[in-house]
Amino acid sequence: TQLLEQSPQFLSIQEGENLTVYCNSSSVFSSLQWYRQEPGEGPVLLVTVVTGGEVKKLKRLTFQFGDARKDSSLHITAAQPGDTGLYLCAGKGGSYIPTFGRGTSLIVHP
Amino acid sequence: SQTIHQWPATLVQPVGSPLSLECTVEGTSNPNLYWYRQAAGRGLQLLFYSVGIGQISSEVPQNLSASRPQDRQFILSSKKLLLSDSGFYLCAGTGVVNTEAFFGQGTRLTVV
Repeated sequence: TQLLEQSPQFLSIQEGENLTVYCNSSSVFSSLQWYRQEPGEGPVLLVTVVTGGEVKKLKRLTFQFGDARKDSSLHITAAQPGDTGLYLCAGKGGSYIPTFGRGTSLIVHP
Repeated sequence: SQTIHQWPATLVQPVGSPLSLECTVEGTSNPNLYWYRQAAGRGLQLLFYSVGIGQISSEVPQNLSASRPQDRQFILSSKKLLLSDSGFYLCAGTGVVNTEAFFGQGTRLTVV
């Protein structure tokens, strides 16, 4: 069974601070996705990383896929209250069923 | 683009009543479809998945069932709801080529 461990589980920071969320596994994934979910809504895809070592940037968000394709990180620069939400990572491995992490709940205080 | 329509958004049902949640897919054919349940602010628990019409696999034993009567229709049901069935239910899909999951808006079910 492929597992994705996300850390930290909860994060409460002030506006303007930087933060990093981690997604780790002992398994290799052919691709990994990051989603953001607001309360009462479904998760929305932010990015997909495919190549080991790949770095993608989405405005103030930087996503990195580990060289061995077993881990990934999401870094947010100068967080804003609008970044508040649940961040989920998901991996595509040997099964067609995506494996989801348990999520990181982020609160950014104004 | 791939879209999932899921309804209703919120539902309050008495214990022992039946349940039917439906989602429909647009923008892709022959998707894999999933029903998830999510505790407040936490990750997704996979309940059922389907790779085609009439094909349902269950991940956890429970009071719920799922059906896929059409390629783009996925239904979550119960004959008699329990208090423990309360939660946030999400329908999701993955395409044949594109394996990124796309989600419906979710249904907040409260069993009273």
